[in-house]
Amino acid sequence: GQQVMQIPQYQHVQEGEDFTTYCNSSTTLSNIQWYKQRPGGHPVFLIQLVKSGEVKKQKRLTFQFGEAKKNSSLHITATQTTDVGTYFCAGTKRSQGNLIFGKGTKLSVKP
Amino acid sequence: KAGVTQTPRYLIKTRGQQVTLSCSPISGHRSVSWYQQTPGQGLQFLFEYFSETQRNKGNFPGRFSGRQFSNSRSEMNVSTLELGDSALYLCASSLGWAQETQYFGPGTRLLVL
Repeated sequence: GQQVMQIPQYQHVQEGEDFTTYCNSSTTLSNIQWYKQRPGGHPVFLIQLVKSGEVKKQKRLTFQFGEAKKNSSLHITATQTTDVGTYFCAGTKRSQGNLIFGKGTKLSVKP
Repeated sequence: KAGVTQTPRYLIKTRGQQVTLSCSPISGHRSVSWYQQTPGQGLQFLFEYFSETQRNKGNFPGRFSGRQFSNSRSEMNVSTLELGDSALYLCASSLGWAQETQYFGPGTRLLVL
């Protein structure tokens, strides 16, 4: 079954509002990755976090990895219509394991 | 470099038939992973191949199988298709390990009637 939980499943925001999606695992992750899938497209890698408490920024996107390496978040400041899509987190539980994807958060942005 | 390519892009089959999907990874990438994507279940890991060997396997029935060739190209096969197998099948490649950055192909959309 799904071992990486992601919430919310859907988020509708007005353009300019902020958006956050959360990812939680019951066990420690060795790393976490975030992907974005535009409607009709395929997942595209955004970033990888490896260290406990790590915070990385990409323009309006801020990614955090929890101190216990069991949770992560993606925050978008002042959303734009180009942010529309589904955001997935994916974690690895062991050094040679496969990525386990969350079910994703589908973001829609109203202009 | 060319991206990950998958063929065919679309496929319609009937229950009981079998299907083979193909994936060509990015040049130099040796790990190929397969995922099934459905609206209800998200991205579910099928299996990963490295150097022609299955290295990791997800929780799917034996009807789902795969292989990898010496040039890293991979195929997956689904036998005795069921209606529930309708999904987008995504292939992703990475340099050496499945937990590294995954570069996804455009997917094969399979419809089982």
